[in-house]
Amino acid sequence: GQQVMQIPQYQHVQEGEDFTTYCNSSTTLSNIQWYKQRPGGHPVFLIQLVKSGEVKKQKRLTFQFGEAKKNSSLHITATQTTDVGTYFCAGLRMDSSYKLIFGSGTRLLVRP
Amino acid sequence: EPEVTQTPSHQVTQMGQEVILRCVPISNHLYFYWYRQILGQKVEFLVSFYNNEISEKSEIFDDQFSVERPDGSNFTLKIRSTKLEDSAMYFCASEAGTSGVVFFGEGSRLTVL
Repeated sequence: GQQVMQIPQYQHVQEGEDFTTYCNSSTTLSNIQWYKQRPGGHPVFLIQLVKSGEVKKQKRLTFQFGEAKKNSSLHITATQTTDVGTYFCAGLRMDSSYKLIFGSGTRLLVRP
Repeated sequence: EPEVTQTPSHQVTQMGQEVILRCVPISNHLYFYWYRQILGQKVEFLVSFYNNEISEKSEIFDDQFSVERPDGSNFTLKIRSTKLEDSAMYFCASEAGTSGVVFFGEGSRLTVL
């Protein structure tokens, strides 16, 4: 079945350093979504990427969708302690169920 | 801002007992989901529901699981006879049927003893 892999599993950075997480799907995606989950919280929608090669920015966060629509990345510039959490990518199948397949997540820890 | 609400936030039950988790999806959304997250692991798809029927389910969603939309607002997940391995956070989610953006509730933590 369809799988979405995500690396790294953990990243521990000093506040102010950059952070990147990578997501790779075994199949071509209709679109990809990114979610942030704070410790003890629920997944919160960050962004959706639809077009091949698309790049979107949200303040210090930059999201990219690969040309083949099989991979994606999230880059955070100059991390802050508020960025702590687990970042999940989720590939969407645009069929009758809009089923999301989540990556395993990257847990970001930021040292102040 | 509209949100998905779930109850209870935490349920503790004995193995073999039945559990019902409740959800109120965002009004006017058409697709409803249950996802599960075992502590420290990724979010796993359980089931999707559209037009008053299951549209897709995963291998996790066996005969012990069922979903229902008894009225126009509630969406429930029932586990008939809970097992220890059912202990997890269960997230309800909904989608409008237009954008593909899925909104999650805050989750119901199930602990099976």
